[in-house]
Amino acid sequence: DSGVTQTPKHLITATGQRVTLRCSPRSGDLSVYWYQQSLDQGLQFLIHYYNGEERAKGNILERFSAQQFPDLHSELNLSSLELGDSALYFCASSGNRGLTDTQYFGPGTRLTVL
Amino acid sequence: GQQLNQSPQSMFIQEGEDVSMNCTSSSIFNTWLWYKQEPGEGPVLLIALYKAGELTSNGRLTAQFGITRKDSFLNISASIPSDVGIYFCAGYRSPSNTGKLIFGQGTTLQVKP
Repeated sequence: DSGVTQTPKHLITATGQRVTLRCSPRSGDLSVYWYQQSLDQGLQFLIHYYNGEERAKGNILERFSAQQFPDLHSELNLSSLELGDSALYFCASSGNRGLTDTQYFGPGTRLTVL
Repeated sequence: GQQLNQSPQSMFIQEGEDVSMNCTSSSIFNTWLWYKQEPGEGPVLLIALYKAGELTSNGRLTAQFGITRKDSFLNISASIPSDVGIYFCAGYRSPSNTGKLIFGQGTTLQVKP
C-alpha cells in the first residue's frame, strides 16, 4: 500500500459527459501528479501540483483540468468525454517540489467511456 | 510524449532464471526509478537511483544508474512466479525544473513455473 488513495476505482460513463476523479496523497506529501495510461501510449504525465499551485503541465487536453485543495487532496476533471479518453488514470504523490522526487502511485481509476 | 527506450518489450522465462532489462535515452537523466505494475494496480516503486554509477539492490533486484547518465538497467535474479508483471523505468531529465517523470514503454515479464 503506497498510502495514496484514489476514488472511484472504476467509472463507466457516456460520451459527452463530465467526470471527476479524486486523489488523496500520502500523509505529509505536498506534490500531486496525474498520469494517463492507455494501451498504446503507456504512462503519460498530465499535470503536477505542489501545495495547491500548478507546477507543470504535460500532455493534458484542454477538456481536462485539475486542482489541489488546501487539504492537499486533488481532483482531475474530465469533460466532453470521448471514446479515446478511456484509460487508467493514476495519481502519484511526493514529499517535495518534485524536481527529483520519488513518486508513489495510487491504485488508479479505470475510466470507460461508452 | 517523450519516452525512454526500454527493452526488451517482453520476456518469457523459466522460473529460476535471471532477468535483465534496460532503459536508454539520448538525454541525460539525474534520477532513475524502476517500478513494477501488476494488472489492475498502480505502479509500485522498486528501486530509486540518484547518482551516476550508483548500484542499488532490493532483495533479488539490482539496478544501476549508468555512468553516462543516459541509461539504467534492472536485473532480477532467480526469478519466481510472483515476479510476473510489467516493469517500467522512469526518470527525470537533467536539468529538471518540473516534476515531469518520463516513463519507458515497459517490459512485460512472464515466468513459467
